[in-house]
Amino acid sequence: DQQVKQNSPSLSVQEGRISILNCDYTNSMFDYFLWYKKYPAEGPTFLISISSIKDKNEDGRFTVFLNKSAKHLSLHIVPSQPGDSAVYFCAASVRGSQGNLIFGKGTKLSVKP
Amino acid sequence: EPEVTQTPSHQVTQMGQEVILRCVPISNHLYFYWYRQILGQKVEFLVSFYNNEISEKSEIFDDQFSVERPDGSNFTLKIRSTKLEDSAMYFCASLGLASFLYNEQFFGPGTRLTVL
Repeated sequence: DQQVKQNSPSLSVQEGRISILNCDYTNSMFDYFLWYKKYPAEGPTFLISISSIKDKNEDGRFTVFLNKSAKHLSLHIVPSQPGDSAVYFCAASVRGSQGNLIFGKGTKLSVKP
Repeated sequence: EPEVTQTPSHQVTQMGQEVILRCVPISNHLYFYWYRQILGQKVEFLVSFYNNEISEKSEIFDDQFSVERPDGSNFTLKIRSTKLEDSAMYFCASLGLASFLYNEQFFGPGTRLTVL
């Protein structure tokens, strides 16, 4: 049962352009959503998060948008840089669950120079 | 910058053997987690640990698994009798009070477990 879905296994973008990574969820009890970035042979690194009471959170080149009615969130990276090439995981946290994260399968982003 | 460390980076074992995976969480963190990622699949929650006891565990975390914080700095995951399907990357994570509100868990680099 996939409570968090990332339907695009890969995405290729030109340097300087916008990267948009999408994530859908099914569980209405989720109250925090996070994006993690993962390089090969490393653990996931926290990137940005958003509470379910907000619809947008911005941190430098990274912006996360949340559409609760559609149960959809997206991560925008503007402008994309070659160093952004990594696997991006969407994760969600259930209210009162001691913070356990439920991950999507990830999207591999390739930013071409 | 403080980080979560894990040892070993790669563990190869025979089916039926016991393995212990070790983690050193960030020193002032209070919440500890184990996750695993089978090759090609998503990262899955195994267990959370707080105040020297298990807070929550998933269906994967059966009687073959146990966790321990033996000395106030290490956090270990033991698999009593490994199966082929236990082959995966195992990630330790920790969470401190400062980042608790945002659930910003810090992950270690992982231990790749290969069961032959």
